[in-house]
Amino acid sequence: AQSVTQLDSQVPVFEEAPVELRCNYSSSVSVYLFWYVQYPNQGLQLLLKYLSGSTLVKGINGFEAEFNKSQTSFHLRKPSVHISDTAEYFCAVLKGNFNKFYFGSGTKLNVKP
Amino acid sequence: DTGVSQDPRHKITKRGQNVTFRCDPISEHNRLYWYRQTLGQGPEFLTYFQNEAQLEKSRLLSDRFSAERPKGSFSTLEIQRTEQGDSAMYLCASSLTSEVNTEAFFGQGTRLTVV
Repeated sequence: AQSVTQLDSQVPVFEEAPVELRCNYSSSVSVYLFWYVQYPNQGLQLLLKYLSGSTLVKGINGFEAEFNKSQTSFHLRKPSVHISDTAEYFCAVLKGNFNKFYFGSGTKLNVKP
Repeated sequence: DTGVSQDPRHKITKRGQNVTFRCDPISEHNRLYWYRQTLGQGPEFLTYFQNEAQLEKSRLLSDRFSAERPKGSFSTLEIQRTEQGDSAMYLCASSLTSEVNTEAFFGQGTRLTVV
């Protein structure tokens, strides 16, 4: 069975501080990994994706993520957050047959001034 | 704007009524997905189409739910005899299958409230 675990449902952080949002997946086959961001009452917007190659992936808005196969993790990081980063972040995996995305339960990032 | 569009954005309906949502994918995308998102949860897969063929349906999709994609373009999701448990955000996404798989592009969703 495929599953995506986001360990933190909420992460409060002060503006300009670094942040890490954790994501672990379970899969016995190769997967593609994604991070999406969702602002209130909006759809999901892609932040970054890992398909193959370099395990450090850079995305939009200064976010990056590192694929760690041995730990089956794909944690999202940003060295300095802004108020505008306040949103919900979803980790997702796409299995080898590319049929559907499996999403984690989301992490709400709350950036405080 | 050439993104995925969904209509309506919001729908309030009485229990027992039928509702229909529409999704217009990005024009060259051959795959179209429907997801449901309830409060505090990530999106859950409902069904997907490859062109006009509905290739997979989740067990979440009861007999009251039906989806179509005539001519492989826009798609509709109909819920018959709505129940309060159907209240959720319904998200549509599209993608283009290729050798290097790409991400799914999501619409802004239709928020359904069943009263």
